Amino acid sequence: DQQVKQNSPSLSVQEGRISILNCDYTNSMFDYFLWYKKYPAEGPTFLISISSIKDKNEDGRFTVFLNKSAKHLSLHIVPSQPGDSAVYFCASYSFNAGNNRKLIWGLGTSLAVNP
Amino acid sequence: DGGITQSPKYLFRKEGQNVTLSCEQNLNHDAMYWYRQDPGQGLRLIYYSQIVNDFQKGDIAEGYSVSREKKESFPLTVTSAQKNPTAFYLCASMGRGNQPQHFGDGTRLSIL
Repeated sequence: DQQVKQNSPSLSVQEGRISILNCDYTNSMFDYFLWYKKYPAEGPTFLISISSIKDKNEDGRFTVFLNKSAKHLSLHIVPSQPGDSAVYFCASYSFNAGNNRKLIWGLGTSLAVNP
Repeated sequence: DGGITQSPKYLFRKEGQNVTLSCEQNLNHDAMYWYRQDPGQGLRLIYYSQIVNDFQKGDIAEGYSVSREKKESFPLTVTSAQKNPTAFYLCASMGRGNQPQHFGDGTRLSIL
């Protein structure tokens, strides 16, 4: 049972336009959400996170929006650049899990930014 | 520079052989994790450790073993019982509080 879902396996956008990557979750206990970027044959790199007490977090070209009632979050990249082409993973955990704290991962969305 | 070092980058295993993947971190993180990624798949958790001398099975622990004798080190052994070991293996660590996991560059394991 996939607790974190990224329903779009791939996304293609033009350079300079907005990229919107979506993620849905089912566990209402999740209170911390993260986005990672991954290139082939490399480890994932942390991009941006958001706590459940917020609905928006912004870092440069990257903004994450959280809609708790819909159990949905999205990552916006504006403007998109060819170097943004990578696989993006959404992940989440419950901070109150204590010593059992582990990230639950989506399957990823492959973003292609075309020049 | 603080970070996570995985070695080797490429590893080959013969049939019936155990191999050990190394993971070392100098971030002073308590928690460490091992994941496996197969082509076109997400990250699947093999084992994790929240503290020295303690570890828990993840979702796909069968055929794998770990140890956590030091805070800095979390080696993963792929045993001969793991029938499909060819994959990309990722090690991560995480500090306390609301922190992201930090990853190494991975080890690609192949069967000879």
